Amino acid sequence: EAQVTQNPRYLITVTGKKLTVTCSQNMNHEYMSWYRQDPGLGLRQIYYSMNVEVTDKGDVPEGYKVSRKEKRNFPLILESPSPNQTSLYFCASSRGTPSYNEQFFGPGTRLTVL
Amino acid sequence: KNEVEQSPQNLTAQEGEFITINCSYSVGISALHWLQQHPGGGIVSLFMLSSGKKKHGRLIATINIQEKHSSLHITASHPRDSAVYICAVRYKYSGGGADGLTFGKGTHLIIQP
Repeated sequence: EAQVTQNPRYLITVTGKKLTVTCSQNMNHEYMSWYRQDPGLGLRQIYYSMNVEVTDKGDVPEGYKVSRKEKRNFPLILESPSPNQTSLYFCASSRGTPSYNEQFFGPGTRLTVL
Repeated sequence: KNEVEQSPQNLTAQEGEFITINCSYSVGISALHWLQQHPGGGIVSLFMLSSGKKKHGRLIATINIQEKHSSLHITASHPRDSAVYICAVRYKYSGGGADGLTFGKGTHLIIQP
């Protein structure tokens, strides 16, 4: 089954404790992206990757890191989480840029930073 | 940054009613996406369009490039259509290095039996 998986689905952590949210897709997609969703603000892009070893900042990259060592995986790293990073996070993938391609979303990761 | 406006923010209707959700954007776009977010949080892509009209089952999406406006219609609405519907656009010149979508805040639809 074609899918985007994220882990963990739920995470409660404390300020400053490094964490990684994994994202994996099995559709051989070149484009992957991370979004955060906050009440009243909608979805906003954090980082995206056009292909292996090619990543770039989205609209709200501060406090996040990403890597794309393999085509299928695109982990999101919070080196020193802060309470303002409490949010619902979505990973998405598509064959190419969202200009011309349908996006497939993961199930979401609800993160709480205390 | 260019915005995406959706209306209404909230909509409650009776089963069987014809539903229209609107989306407006400000400048030229490469593509417009309609997404559905289920109560559990998962997001599904419904349509991607850059011109004209698309239909899938009871869902119809239209776009008017000149008016910078898109509509999502649901015919014969059903309680299982209850969800948040999100409009997203890929602006041609987003600036700031971002290559992703700009999202509306969503329309929360409830269909009552």
